[in-house]
Amino acid sequence: DSGVTQTPKHLITATGQRVTLRCSPRSGDLSVYWYQQSLDQGLQFLIQYYNGEERAKGNILERFSAQQFPDLHSELNLSSLELGDSALYFCASSTGGSRGETQYFGPGTRLLVL
Amino acid sequence: AQSVTQLGSHVSVSEGALVLLRCNYSSSVPPYLFWYVQYPNQGLQLLLKYTTGATLVKGINGFEAEFKKSETSFHLTKPSAHMSDAAEYFCAVNGGATNKLIFGTGTLLAVQP
Repeated sequence: DSGVTQTPKHLITATGQRVTLRCSPRSGDLSVYWYQQSLDQGLQFLIQYYNGEERAKGNILERFSAQQFPDLHSELNLSSLELGDSALYFCASSTGGSRGETQYFGPGTRLLVL
Repeated sequence: AQSVTQLGSHVSVSEGALVLLRCNYSSSVPPYLFWYVQYPNQGLQLLLKYTTGATLVKGINGFEAEFKKSETSFHLTKPSAHMSDAAEYFCAVNGGATNKLIFGTGTLLAVQP
């Protein structure tokens, strides 16, 4: 158990809908990362937050947004969902977000868009 | 830009045999390198990482990796495979100013009895 929790574990929805994925980092970790794992794209970095502020951005679609709240949990919002958004979405956390810090991954949220 | 290439999407070994999973990287700055393992229906778990210092890095579960700058490689090895090692293994590089990870495509390791 990494100490990172993600809810829900599974999500089934329809095209065009909007969903919110939630992540609680390890106790004491200030930085949260979101990754997408799909069969065609592999594991891709989406976005990083540090203590409520966006720190780094990857290949995150404009239809996707994220935020980190004062209690340090983070949410990833996916809107206007398409079939291709079906994937496993991981959240990870690290102590401060500095280069080289170990990232601890949650169990993921599996999203299926029908 | 940073990238990672993992040679061999599927590797099969016999129990007790040497495990060798290959990883080559590209980075415009001194790289930090990671190996993660993913068991079915689970998240990723760090096996080991190289940041600076000793180029031979030992990790959990008997795995180790050697950073070879001249070969731009960071291959993962384990002297004797165990059935419980069957999983998918990902090599990653963090070569930029931030802590984002760039992952390879993964290698699925099968261990035959």
